Amino acid sequence: EAGVTQFPSHSVIEKGQTVTLRCDPISGHDNLYWYRRVMGKEIKFLLHFVKESKQDESGMPNNRFLAERTGGTYSTLKVQPAELEDSGVYFCASSQDRAYPLSEQYFGPGTRLTVT
Amino acid sequence: LAKTTQPISMDSYEGQEVNITCSHNNIATNDYITWYQQFPSQGPRFIIQGYKTKVTNEVASLFIPADRKSSTLSLPRVSLSDTAVYYCLVNYGQNFVFGPGTRLSVLP
Repeated sequence: EAGVTQFPSHSVIEKGQTVTLRCDPISGHDNLYWYRRVMGKEIKFLLHFVKESKQDESGMPNNRFLAERTGGTYSTLKVQPAELEDSGVYFCASSQDRAYPLSEQYFGPGTRLTVT
Repeated sequence: LAKTTQPISMDSYEGQEVNITCSHNNIATNDYITWYQQFPSQGPRFIIQGYKTKVTNEVASLFIPADRKSSTLSLPRVSLSDTAVYYCLVNYGQNFVFGPGTRLSVLP
């Protein structure tokens, strides 16, 4: 069974540019999560999709970040315009459609974003 | 403010048992505790999950006291390949909060 995949693995962009990160969850997983870890900080929750609906986006830092999950399959996270403080590793995770007990989240390898 | 804390680093020797404790004072009734392991350039990988008392699987045990304000991940007889960062994750409702991670170094 294929795991969670993320593309690209590494992206280097200039301040002010736009970048779109992609996540392909494990097939059949309705729950999809985005996290990020900026340098020296903890892994922070960004948002949670259940199928194509945003369940919780309280962790999104500001309106420069836009996440979508059209059709409830893959998801994209767009940063526009990118700022220096957006540099970090962005993780995607997915889990089965089961709220309690909490489903195990399967993480992708992450996308390392560098904004110069 | 929901917060999850854990020691930043620990050292151990091969064959020893390692216990890593996580504090989650604001945990609520429906919140779960999950532990993940992460190697460099990889995403976190699930180790174990629990709600109360004790949970054991083939790789670890998780001890949770009655008040659930802390939890302890126990790794029996660690090996060099267990050198990694270990994260405690608590879902405060729908908000998933990672601890800062404990860097475990297993020495020969």
